[in-house]
Amino acid sequence: DGGITQSPKYLFRKEGQNVTLSCEQNLNHDAMYWYRQDPGQGLRLIYYSQIVNDFQKGDIAEGYSVSREKKESFPLTVTSAQKNPTAFYLCASSIVAGLTDTQYFGPGTRLTVL
Amino acid sequence: DQQVKQNSPSLSVQEGRISILNCDYTNSMFDYFLWYKKYPAEGPTFLISISSIKDKNEDGRFTVFLNKSAKHLSLHIVPSQPGDSAVYFCAANRGAQKLVFGQGTRLTINP
Repeated sequence: DGGITQSPKYLFRKEGQNVTLSCEQNLNHDAMYWYRQDPGQGLRLIYYSQIVNDFQKGDIAEGYSVSREKKESFPLTVTSAQKNPTAFYLCASSIVAGLTDTQYFGPGTRLTVL
Repeated sequence: DQQVKQNSPSLSVQEGRISILNCDYTNSMFDYFLWYKKYPAEGPTFLISISSIKDKNEDGRFTVFLNKSAKHLSLHIVPSQPGDSAVYFCAANRGAQKLVFGQGTRLTINP
């Protein structure tokens, strides 16, 4: 079964701690993305990567970091610098970062910072 | 700056009737649009897309219409079924597959 997995589904952390969210895909997609969803809002792009060892900031990259050491993995670290980290985080991938390539999403991780 | 807007936060439709979800955009450079369906605590699922060279795209019960002059697109679901109850997001592609999403419309199908 091909797909995108995100773990864990729910994550709790204390304020001031860094936390890393996992995203793995076995679709052989080149491009991967991280989004954040807040209540009543659409998805906002945090970071994206078109190929291994390369990534670009999205609209709300401050307080986040990523790595892309393997094609199938794109972990997101929420650092203590992120002012409002509590949110629903979604990872997506697409075949390439082309105009008509559809992005497919994982199930999401809900992060709550206490 | 909300470049993609879904002005109706919610919509309630009777089962079997047509559901029409609307989306407006401001950037005339957008040239590819997508609709996603999302259940609570799950990732969005791709539904249907349309290129700006078309004004209509149909897939089963789902049809998307694009009016470029009005910068408006709509998703029609007919007939509506209980399983269609979800939040629907429209999204526009602004290049390099960077999608801009609307705020979503919660669709409820009543029996």
